[in-house]
Amino acid sequence: DAGVIQSPRHEVTEMGQEVTLRCKPISGHDYLFWYRQTMMRGLELLIYFNNNVPIDDSGMPEDRFSAKMPNASFSTLKIQPSEPRDSAVYFCASSTNLLAGGVTDTQYFGPGTRLTVL
Amino acid sequence: GQSLEQPSEVTAVEGAIVQINCTYQTSGFYGLSWYQQHDGGAPTFLSYNALDGLEETGRFSSFLSRSDSYGYLLLQELQMKDSASYFCAVRDEDNFNKFYFGSGTKLNVKP
Repeated sequence: DAGVIQSPRHEVTEMGQEVTLRCKPISGHDYLFWYRQTMMRGLELLIYFNNNVPIDDSGMPEDRFSAKMPNASFSTLKIQPSEPRDSAVYFCASSTNLLAGGVTDTQYFGPGTRLTVL
Repeated sequence: GQSLEQPSEVTAVEGAIVQINCTYQTSGFYGLSWYQQHDGGAPTFLSYNALDGLEETGRFSSFLSRSDSYGYLLLQELQMKDSASYFCAVRDEDNFNKFYFGSGTKLNVKP
């Protein structure tokens, strides 16, 4: 399997522009997570989906952020308009059957998108 | 809510053993996970403890004491490639599939 795929890997944009980050989860995984990582705040969960349905978006910073999952193999995180404080690395992760617990508690992370807003 | 505390940085020499501690506060507890992240890379899963005791996976072991709200990651026979940040994580007390990560411990392995 190719693992979780994210694009673009790097994005540099100017304040006020719209930014769209993309994620393809591992095939067969029914959970998809969007995280943001910064030095100040660490790794924060923004939103997660189960079977394409948003379950918890309490981590989404404000209305400028939105996420969609139109099908099981694709999700987007959009920031409109972007601001310099949105600069961070955004990770997408996927997993399956977390409720079963068991031996593993694994989320598989994509390589991340490094966003710089000037 | 949940809170996790880890040391910010640890330094050790190649071949040594190092322990990275994690203390947590959570009303409900479903287990403690550990992730490794190299600079510029993505977090990768290392281990998970749901019950008290030691879980061993090769050179890495993870320990949990639920009564003390404490766990640690033990790395043996340190190698230069082990230089990375290590995060502990717990699930949300009300939302089983929501994770909180500690701030991470940066491990520096020196020759």
